[in-house]
Amino acid sequence: DGGITQSPKYLFRKEGQNVTLSCEQNLNHDAMYWYRQDPGQGLRLIYYSQIVNDFQKGDIAEGYSVSREKKESFPLTVTSAQKNPTAFYLCASSTPLAGAAETQYFGPGTRLLVL
Amino acid sequence: GNSVTQMEGPVTLSEEAFLTINCTYTATGYPSLFWYVQYPGEGLQLLLKATKADDKGSNKGFEATYRKETTSFHLEKGSVQVSDSAVYFCALENSGGSNYKLTFGKGTLLTVNP
Repeated sequence: DGGITQSPKYLFRKEGQNVTLSCEQNLNHDAMYWYRQDPGQGLRLIYYSQIVNDFQKGDIAEGYSVSREKKESFPLTVTSAQKNPTAFYLCASSTPLAGAAETQYFGPGTRLLVL
Repeated sequence: GNSVTQMEGPVTLSEEAFLTINCTYTATGYPSLFWYVQYPGEGLQLLLKATKADDKGSNKGFEATYRKETTSFHLEKGSVQVSDSAVYFCALENSGGSNYKLTFGKGTLLTVNP
């Protein structure tokens, strides 16, 4: 079955620690995205990548980093510089089609908690 | 810039009631509009979409019509079920630019009681 997997489902971070959230897709999609979801605030875009080895900052990139070495994978690192990392993180992918509405497909999410 | 405003919840209905969740948007050009649904503890799933004015998106008994004159994309369902309980997000994509980012509303929690 094609889809997006995210791991782990729950992740705990200690003060000063960097943690990495995994996102893998086997949909052969070119574009991948990371969103942060907080209660009552909807989804906010952290980073996105339209193609391998290229990525752009979203609306709330500070304290996060990403890489896109493979088409299938788009890991997100939450660094110690992110002072309020507790949130639900969602990864998505899509294949932008010229002149057509893009549908983003979402993974099941990772909930990050601070110890 | 782009923005989406949807009615604040929570919305609580009895089974078989009529549902409306309002969504209005601000965008330059001609955005595409979406409704996504999120069931508890899960990611988002596309519910329906519309790409141009007067288009109607529909799926699973839900409908929404792209109204450019009122910049709205309200979600409706004639008879809700308990299984429709979820958070609903309105979103837009402004493909007039070189990227295809989605802008989301804050979400509306719907609870349907038996």
